[in-house]
Formats: sequence, structure tokens, C-alpha cells
Amino acid sequence: DAMVIQNPRYQVTQFGKPVTLSCSQTLNHNVMYWYQQKSSQAPKLLFHYYDKDFNNEADTPDNFQSRRPNTSFCFLDIRSPGLGDAAMYLCASGTGGFKDYGYTFGSGTRLTVV
Amino acid sequence: EDQVTQSPEALRLQEGESSSLNCSYTVSGLRGLFWYRQDPGKGPEFLFTLYSAGEEKEKERLKATLTKKESFLHITAPKPEDSATYLCAVKNQAGTALIFGKGTTLSVSS
Repeated sequence: DAMVIQNPRYQVTQFGKPVTLSCSQTLNHNVMYWYQQKSSQAPKLLFHYYDKDFNNEADTPDNFQSRRPNTSFCFLDIRSPGLGDAAMYLCASGTGGFKDYGYTFGSGTRLTVV
Repeated sequence: EDQVTQSPEALRLQEGESSSLNCSYTVSGLRGLFWYRQDPGKGPEFLFTLYSAGEEKEKERLKATLTKKESFLHITAPKPEDSATYLCAVKNQAGTALIFGKGTTLSVSS
């Protein structure tokens, strides 16, 4: 089945130690998104790629970076994780068309910072 | 500023007790309103997209409706397996990304 896969499901990292989260999609979608979701809060968009074009949200900290080496893969890099970065990170993909029939989300990566 | 507000934050129902979840929104040119279901520790699962006022969509025990200011997710005769957080999101004319509400956490007991 076509889907969005995130790895790992759970990630524990040390305060200040760089960490990379991975996302792949087999839907051949143009757009890939990274959202941060903290407990009982709405998912918050960090950035997205439309094909190779990177679009950063104005309030996304510089500590967060992303790479999209090809259509299928997208990475979230956190350069120096702080305790406040502990959250669920959700990757999603979409067609980017005017009538976008809903994004497909991965299962998420739960990040713990110790 | 585009905004999505969901109510109630939490809802407890008995099995078979129908109810509705509310999503009110302010957005600069609605391109679509989306409903997702999210189970604990998992990513959101797509349910419906609504594009214009008056539109309705149904899936099993769920029915979503849309007006110019709000959307309702009606749950008819819910079962315990309907327990989840239901997220509402909108997309505006300018953006390509979804703006989410905080969700309504539904618990259905047998």
C-alpha cells in the first residue's frame, strides 16, 4: 500500500546532541510537510517542500532544518535539541493541487530529550 | 489571522449515544476544511474534506457538514472503537499547508 513511513517511531536524544528524523513516501506526492505536535496541542507546521522548493514557517526556530534529497525522502534535522523540543514529529505528504484531497500522515516519531 | 477552534475539548459518550463535535474557523478564503482522526501515539488519519457551505460527507457512523463559519462532525450511535481525538483543519487561498485546531478527544464507553 502507498504510504508515508517515519523512522524511528521513538527517538531518545541527549540535550544538545544533533538528531535526524526520517520520512519516506511511496505516493509520488509533490509536497512533504513536517509538523510538531506537543501533548494536547494542535499540530504546528514547521516547514514544507514543494518539489525542491523549501518553505520555512516564520516562527520555526533556526535549530530546525530539513533536507529533501529526492521525491520520496525528507529529513528533519534538529541541530541542538532542547528540552522544549520534546514532541511528536509528524511527516505528511500531499499533491499540492488546488483541491488537495487531504494529506497522508505518517505514524510520527516521538522525540524525548534527556 | 487564520484560526481554528474546536469544541468541546473532551467528550464522553455512552455507546449508542449520538452527538456532534464543533469546528469553528476564520480563514482568508477557504480552500478546504479537513477532518482527521488521531489515535494515541499515532499520526492523523484522513476522514473528510469539505469545500463549500452546504456540503456534507458521510462515512460509516460519521457525517461532516460545513457552513460559512463552522463545521460539525456528527457521530451516530458511536461504538467504543470510535474513541480517538478528532482534528479539524483548514487550508486558505494563499497557503499550501493545513492549519489545525487542538482537537476534541472522544471517549465512548460500553
